[in-house]
Amino acid sequence: DAKTTQPPSMDCAEGRAANLPCNHSTISGNEYVYWYRQIHSQGPQYIIHGLKNNETNEMASLIITEDRKSSTLILPHATLRDTAVYYCIVIPSSNTGKLIFGQGTTLQVKP
Amino acid sequence: DSGVTQTPKHLITATGQRVTLRCSPRSGDLSVYWYQQSLDQGLQFLIQYYNGEERAKGNILERFSAQQFPDLHSELNLSSLELGDSALYFCASSVGGQGASYEQYFGPGTRLTVT
Repeated sequence: DAKTTQPPSMDCAEGRAANLPCNHSTISGNEYVYWYRQIHSQGPQYIIHGLKNNETNEMASLIITEDRKSSTLILPHATLRDTAVYYCIVIPSSNTGKLIFGQGTTLQVKP
Repeated sequence: DSGVTQTPKHLITATGQRVTLRCSPRSGDLSVYWYQQSLDQGLQFLIQYYNGEERAKGNILERFSAQQFPDLHSELNLSSLELGDSALYFCASSVGGQGASYEQYFGPGTRLTVT
């Protein structure tokens, strides 16, 4: 399975866009990029996922580079409630679905 | 609210004891996953069941076992408990059990404290 690299922490001003990067340079063609977040000790929450194309939903946008070696999760208007640990996870399509969590990025949204 | 329920919310027990954690998946979801989150290990995948059958195994100790019942709820049994088993235990569910295109929905977790 492809490994991911994320910065350990980031700050963002409330109301501004939060751009969280993820490097997955060893990703294979059949591997999906998933993003989850965990707000302090709550169960992780699914945000978005993609394979090749950029994706957008009500929570966020996912931008995947053309070579698929990195991606960026964008929270367009961060609020204090978006303060959480964000996990970028690469999953092969042959996987049963189990998630292997890394250390993630702790996003602190500041007023 | 993810639709996944876990009971109990908190559990305090002594070393050597046995406990059972319960999970009810979202309506319609066939897969159940168990994860453990401790301070030093982070979130770790333990085991997955799909429609009653074991589908994948992670770093699950031999002292731990799980099953998924015909009504699709699942139980995680932890025995001969040690201090190091103190952790948050999360259950998640998804529609599918094979392939990477299914998002998982997590329950609120059970906090286990072993004294």
